[in-house]
Amino acid sequence: DVKVTQSSRYLVKRTGEKVFLECVQDMDHENMFWYRQDPGLGLRLIYFSYDVKMKEKGDIPEGYSVSREKKERFSLILESASTNQTSMYLCASSSPAGSSETQYFGPGTRLLVL
Amino acid sequence: GENVEQHPSTLSVQEGDSAVIKCTYSDSASNYFPWYKQELGKRPQLIIDIRSNVGEKKDQRIAVTLNKTAKHFSLHITETQPEDSAVYFCAASKGGSYIPTFGRGTSLIVHP
Repeated sequence: DVKVTQSSRYLVKRTGEKVFLECVQDMDHENMFWYRQDPGLGLRLIYFSYDVKMKEKGDIPEGYSVSREKKERFSLILESASTNQTSMYLCASSSPAGSSETQYFGPGTRLLVL
Repeated sequence: GENVEQHPSTLSVQEGDSAVIKCTYSDSASNYFPWYKQELGKRPQLIIDIRSNVGEKKDQRIAVTLNKTAKHFSLHITETQPEDSAVYFCAASKGGSYIPTFGRGTSLIVHP
C-alpha cells in the first residue's frame, strides 16, 4: 500500500518567514508533485519532479521553489511567505512503471500565513 | 496547454438518486482521464479512470463515459448514498506525461 506523508498537517507562519514543507513517499516512485488546493480553484500544480535533482515548473511556480535530493523526498520551499500563500498544500507521487498513472496524495498541509 | 472544465461546481441529490458530473478538455492529444474523490478532511483518492481507447468503464455503482469527438467525459453515480458525499475531481493527461490537469471540482451532497 502506497504511503505518502507530509511533515505537518497544520502550520502557522508570519509574513516574510522561510517555510519548508516536506513530503516523503515509500513506494520508490519516480514522479513527485506539489499542488495547491483552494476552494473553487481545484488542484493547481506548483512544481513536479521526474527524478532526483530534477524539477519542472508547473502552472503556478511564482513564490515557490523545490528540492529533491533523495528519490523518496520532495520539499516545497516558500522563500518569503506572503498572506496570499495561505492555502492547503498537497503532495503526490506516481510511477511511470506499467500503465498506471495513478497519483497518490499525501494528507495535505494547511498553511496559514499571518 | 490542457484546459479542463468541470460542471456543476455543486450538486445536491437525494439518497438513491443518480448523479452525473461532466468535464470537457481542450487538448485532443489527452488520452487518460482519471476521477478522484476527496472526502472532507481527507486526501484525494482515485476512484475510476478511463483511457481514450475505451468509451465506457463501470465499477459497481460508478461509471465513466468518454466522447473523444466532443472531448468530454462524465462520471455517473447510481443509487447514491450519504457516503458518496465528497468533492470529485476530473483530470486529463497525455500518455507518457504523467502530469494531469485537474478540473475545479464538484461538491456532491447526498441528502439522506
